[in-house]
Amino acid sequence: GAGVSQSPRYKVAKRGQDVALRCDPISGHVSLFWYQQALGQGPEFLTYFQNEAQLDKSGLPSDRFFAERPEGSVSTLKIQRTQQEDSAVYLCASSLAPGFNSPLHFGNGTRLTVT
Amino acid sequence: SQQGEEDPQALSIQEGENATMNCSYKTSINNLQWYRQNSGRGLVHLILIRSNEREKHSGRLRVTLDTSKKSSSLLITASRAADTASYFCATDGGGSEKLVFGKGTKLTVNP
Repeated sequence: GAGVSQSPRYKVAKRGQDVALRCDPISGHVSLFWYQQALGQGPEFLTYFQNEAQLDKSGLPSDRFFAERPEGSVSTLKIQRTQQEDSAVYLCASSLAPGFNSPLHFGNGTRLTVT
Repeated sequence: SQQGEEDPQALSIQEGENATMNCSYKTSINNLQWYRQNSGRGLVHLILIRSNEREKHSGRLRVTLDTSKKSSSLLITASRAADTASYFCATDGGGSEKLVFGKGTKLTVNP
């Protein structure tokens, strides 16, 4: 497919479990972003990669959140010891150029529910 | 924290009417983007307008930008039921390497 792909689509985790969310960006896209979206809210920035370099992780809520993009393509967002407040939709987006000067292409997100 | 704030929070109109949504932001920007999100889906890019542009069109969409008032508007003309979605504005966070979204306007177009 030509779009951004995220998996799994839905994830239910018991509180305290670790989860890993995957993002396959559009091939050749330099920039990759992770956002968290609570119900009825706009997406909140988590972190930004330019190729394999994580240039901004200021939005990660705590040290339980970790993201990587080791080869500059696929990215994984890991949440350790999940808490109920982590329940949200996690959106991945990629763009062709560095930074924010070109449109972002979003995946359909992973809906995480922590019980 | 969210840089842009859309107004109104919700808008309900009849098919064929025009819909106008507004966005205000706080810091200076390089560009402002508008996105649409259908329920349960990711966001779709609509228009990017740069800080030195005042107006931009794309099909039935018209975006204006007033940097002196730190505001933008999105006009959808001759709305259709398929335009029902949430609409978000997004700006760079004062020059940083990230796009900051507002809380969105939920548009309902009734057939």
